[in-house]
Amino acid sequence: AQRVTQPEKLLSVFKGAPVELKCNYSYSGSPELFWYVQYSRQRLQLLLRHISRESIKGFTADLNKGETSFHLKKPFAQEEDSAMYYCALSTDSWGKLQFGAGTQVVVTP
Amino acid sequence: GAVVSQHPSRVICKSGTSVKIECRSLDFQATTMFWYRQFPKQSLMLMATSNEGSKATYEQGVEKDKFLINHASLTLSTLTVTSAHPEDSSFYICSARDSGQHTGELFFGEGSRLTVL
Repeated sequence: AQRVTQPEKLLSVFKGAPVELKCNYSYSGSPELFWYVQYSRQRLQLLLRHISRESIKGFTADLNKGETSFHLKKPFAQEEDSAMYYCALSTDSWGKLQFGAGTQVVVTP
Repeated sequence: GAVVSQHPSRVICKSGTSVKIECRSLDFQATTMFWYRQFPKQSLMLMATSNEGSKATYEQGVEKDKFLINHASLTLSTLTVTSAHPEDSSFYICSARDSGQHTGELFFGEGSRLTVL
């Protein structure tokens, strides 16, 4: 069965410090992984997808098939990064997503 | 960018009544939309996949007679919670994929908070 695990419910970091959000997945096929972000009082929006291999707002995520992980990283956290982050796994061509439990990131000055 | 709009954003109803929530893609066509449910401080749980012109596909454990989904056009899907009860109170979120794009990105609505008294 497919599963997405985000072990940290809350991450509190200081501004300027590195931040890493962990995501592990379980899927027997070829996964398509995403990071979605939800800022306070806003809707969920796409942050990163592993296929594009790009950096958005300073965040990067590398798919490690050996470790079945897709951790999200940013070297220097900013206060505006405070949000809820969801790792998501897509297992079909229609885009159906399975979400992890989410990690709340709080960046303090 | 693509916008998905949900209506109403908040609804309060009495137990036993039915409530309809609309999900519209405003500037793109969506042959497929998804309905999620989110409990407080929990993740999004996929309820069903809504396909334009055909029956919705429900996830295991989701009662299709309880949560009626209709996707009559390429820009509108509706979720009707029938004979609502207090345990149906939740945040319902829809998402849609742009049929004309192949990026895999889903666009989310702002959510609809249902409170059943």
